Amino acid sequence: GAVVSQHPSRVICKSGTSVKIECRSLDFQATTMFWYRQFPKQSLMLMATSNEGSKATYEQGVEKDKFLINHASLTLSTLTVTSAHPEDSSFYICSAGAAKNIQYFGAGTRLSVL
Amino acid sequence: AQSVTQLGSHVSVSEGALVLLRCNYSSSVPPYLFWYVQYPNQGLQLLLKYTSAATLVKGINGFEAEFKKSETSFHLTKPSAHMSDAAEYFCAVRIYNTDKLIFGTGTRLQVFP
Repeated sequence: GAVVSQHPSRVICKSGTSVKIECRSLDFQATTMFWYRQFPKQSLMLMATSNEGSKATYEQGVEKDKFLINHASLTLSTLTVTSAHPEDSSFYICSAGAAKNIQYFGAGTRLSVL
Repeated sequence: AQSVTQLGSHVSVSEGALVLLRCNYSSSVPPYLFWYVQYPNQGLQLLLKYTSAATLVKGINGFEAEFKKSETSFHLTKPSAHMSDAAEYFCAVRIYNTDKLIFGTGTRLQVFP
């Protein structure tokens, strides 16, 4: 199946710093990528939809100035958590939309904000 | 609004036993339904999908699911569990006319020797 690479897999940062997470589709082009957040023992919550060449669409309740998304190419989307605080600690997962209604998921990034 | 409900947050089976993970959906339009598996600290891997073709869908690793409109269900089954099947399983529905997915709350499958 298609491969989506997400980097880093784990990051620990100090409160107030910004963290960038990359999501790359390695063997296909993805006009649409998705960013999810997963709290411990809970399901995935869609944060935003990232469209190549245009502004991301954020779900209700997600602060767009807090979670900056850039989708500059057909194979790369980035999520930047700005001025991170401990409550932003979570597991962030990206996915890339492919043909036949399938999303391929990255391995996730565990963010810990101290 | 479309949604999925997974009954049972934890399911435990013995190795070799039948696996049954339940998912019910709510949708006013014909749904596209998915089952994903998540291993610890990893992303999600697609097991199978239903997109209005055959109601019995076969996926990877010996899993299959049957779409039953009368019961609004899309339960996941596997005849014989393996230790390697231990993971978190998510049912999902595609939001109509979009590429977005709504996930259920997940079911953790434990397999005992």
